[in-house]
Amino acid sequence: GQNIDQPTEMTATEGAIVQINCTYQTSGFNGLFWYQQHAGEAPTFLSYNVLDGLEEKGRFSSFLSRSKGYSYLLLKELQMKDSASYLCAVVDSNYQLIWGAGTKLIIKP
Amino acid sequence: ETGVTQTPRHLVMGMTNKKSLKCEQHLGHNAMYWYKQSAKKPLELMFVYNFKEQTENNSVPSRFSPECPNSSHLFLHLHTLQPEDSALYLCASSQGTSGGADTQYFGPGTRLTVL
Repeated sequence: GQNIDQPTEMTATEGAIVQINCTYQTSGFNGLFWYQQHAGEAPTFLSYNVLDGLEEKGRFSSFLSRSKGYSYLLLKELQMKDSASYLCAVVDSNYQLIWGAGTKLIIKP
Repeated sequence: ETGVTQTPRHLVMGMTNKKSLKCEQHLGHNAMYWYKQSAKKPLELMFVYNFKEQTENNSVPSRFSPECPNSSHLFLHLHTLQPEDSALYLCASSQGTSGGADTQYFGPGTRLTVL
């Protein structure tokens, strides 16, 4: 079967750095998405990786290793507004989107 | 208005009621989606429409009935629901050119409670 694993919950301190991991086992691979979802709000697009390596977008970076079935989202200089759930999703060989259950990130002052 | 809008934002209904959820996208997209989101579970894709044609129905019970009159509007008609159907129902849209590889734009969701 197809599976996406990410930690259920993480806690970090304001101003620090946090890395949210996502591992996947899917039938084929055509890209990996990260979305952010604040409580009670819509998920919003953060990043899309299809090639190996690190892509940086301001305070957020996303890394992909296709050979290891692994990605991470790196958040720097954490702010209270970064408290949210972070959803990892993989596009499989049939261009179906397989979702992880999300990681709830709690930022403490 | 911009983006993807959903109404109502909150809905409480009895098991014998009939209600409808509405979604509208103002992005010029061709694909629209209904998802169910339950606590601590992955998003569950329910239905996909591309150019108004239903392209996916993930074994959703018949008590959920989608309708897509045009590329901008999507409805989810609800009848005879069960308490386990209580969840956040999210609508999304995308360009519709790359299947799951399209970036999806989500509405804020309808929080549904079935009593």
